[in-house]
Amino acid sequence: GAGVSQSPSNKVTEKGKDVELRCDPISGHTALYWYRQSLGQGLEFLIYFQGNSAPDKSGLPSDRFSAERTGGSVSTLTIQRTQQEDSAVYLCASSLLFYEQYFGPGTRLTVT
Amino acid sequence: GQQVMQIPQYQHVQEGEDFTTYCNSSTTLSNIQWYKQRPGGHPVFLIQLVKSGEVKKQKRLTFQFGEAKKNSSLHITATQTTDVGTYFCAGGRSNDYKLSFGAGTTVTVRA
Repeated sequence: GAGVSQSPSNKVTEKGKDVELRCDPISGHTALYWYRQSLGQGLEFLIYFQGNSAPDKSGLPSDRFSAERTGGSVSTLTIQRTQQEDSAVYLCASSLLFYEQYFGPGTRLTVT
Repeated sequence: GQQVMQIPQYQHVQEGEDFTTYCNSSTTLSNIQWYKQRPGGHPVFLIQLVKSGEVKKQKRLTFQFGEAKKNSSLHITATQTTDVGTYFCAGGRSNDYKLSFGAGTTVTVRA
């Protein structure tokens, strides 16, 4: 079956603009995660969704970042008033509870 | 909060040699997972360890989970150019669905 997909694959935006990043998880996976990875760095946890529970937003770096997951499937990560330090690869992953995470190919965000 | 530390950050290996990368947690883990990220790619799951002292092998890769469930190691024998990439460990706790990822060990291989 299909893996995790993300769109767009690349996004260049001007400082101050809003961006939306999309994640389509593997069908049936109840858990969905967003991470941020700066060049040559590790994975920074942003937010986690599990079923109908309230999301764990503890990793969001500022109130400019928000995410939603509609119908327990597709998720959108929104960054408002983008800053240059937001430039990174944004990775989405999905999993069954307590099992391995399957990562999407990521969205490379560049803020100019 | 929980922190997972990985050493070394970089590992330069002669083709055919062995090396080990280590992962240490400040708290007891319920499980540990290992992922590999090839250059330009995304992390791909390798293995999960759950039991204290557990050892698992995948061809030339040997994974261990410490007795206290606070550390883990990945040992690669006879390194090949296909082993190039960054290896991440990620620790999980029983009361938390998140994984705490280490910073990764980036492996380069000299032919």
